[in-house]
Amino acid sequence: EPEVTQTPSHQVTQMGQEVILRCVPISNHLYFYWYRQILGQKVEFLVSFYNNEISEKSEIFDDQFSVERPDGSNFTLKIRSTKLEDSAMYFCATGGRTNEKLFFGSGTQLSVL
Amino acid sequence: QKEVEQNSGPLSVPEGAIASLNCTYSDRGSQSFFWYRQYSGKSPELIMFIYSNGDKEDGRFTAQLNKASQYVSLLIRDSQPSDSATYLCAVSGSSNTGKLIFGQGTTLQVKP
Repeated sequence: EPEVTQTPSHQVTQMGQEVILRCVPISNHLYFYWYRQILGQKVEFLVSFYNNEISEKSEIFDDQFSVERPDGSNFTLKIRSTKLEDSAMYFCATGGRTNEKLFFGSGTQLSVL
Repeated sequence: QKEVEQNSGPLSVPEGAIASLNCTYSDRGSQSFFWYRQYSGKSPELIMFIYSNGDKEDGRFTAQLNKASQYVSLLIRDSQPSDSATYLCAVSGSSNTGKLIFGQGTTLQVKP
């Protein structure tokens, strides 16, 4: 069964450092998303990406965050200057021909020290 | 603020019983409704989706939707210990971007 692959599974970084989280979507999927989940809290939407541009972003997704699909396969989330409160599990999700059903990757646990 | 509300539980049922999980949402423009299962430390896994009022059955799972009451539920028949997990209700926004708004989840414990 096809799956969404995320790397790394764990990332530890110092406050103020840049991190890049990577996702390989399911082949032929057209819709890409990043969500995050702070320990013990809800899964929160960050950004949706379709046709090589952001289609919607949340209030969390400020100027410190960016996304891109650099080579037509990977989908990345960059946090330019990490803060303590960025510590969370970050999930990539992708959707197929319609954006109705999303499939989540296994997540990257980001710890900012 | 568009919200999705769930009772956090835990909901404890004996093995073989029916587990009933409930969810309410605030955005009347929501079109699609999903139930995800999340084991501790793992990613959400889609188990059911429903778009129209009424019931939708898939194996031991039945999703129920009542748009007038802004209510969606999940029934799990013949509950098994392996069903013990957190069940997340998710609702698509009216923006048509596929964005999902999640509830906080209900923890289900199935006791052997």
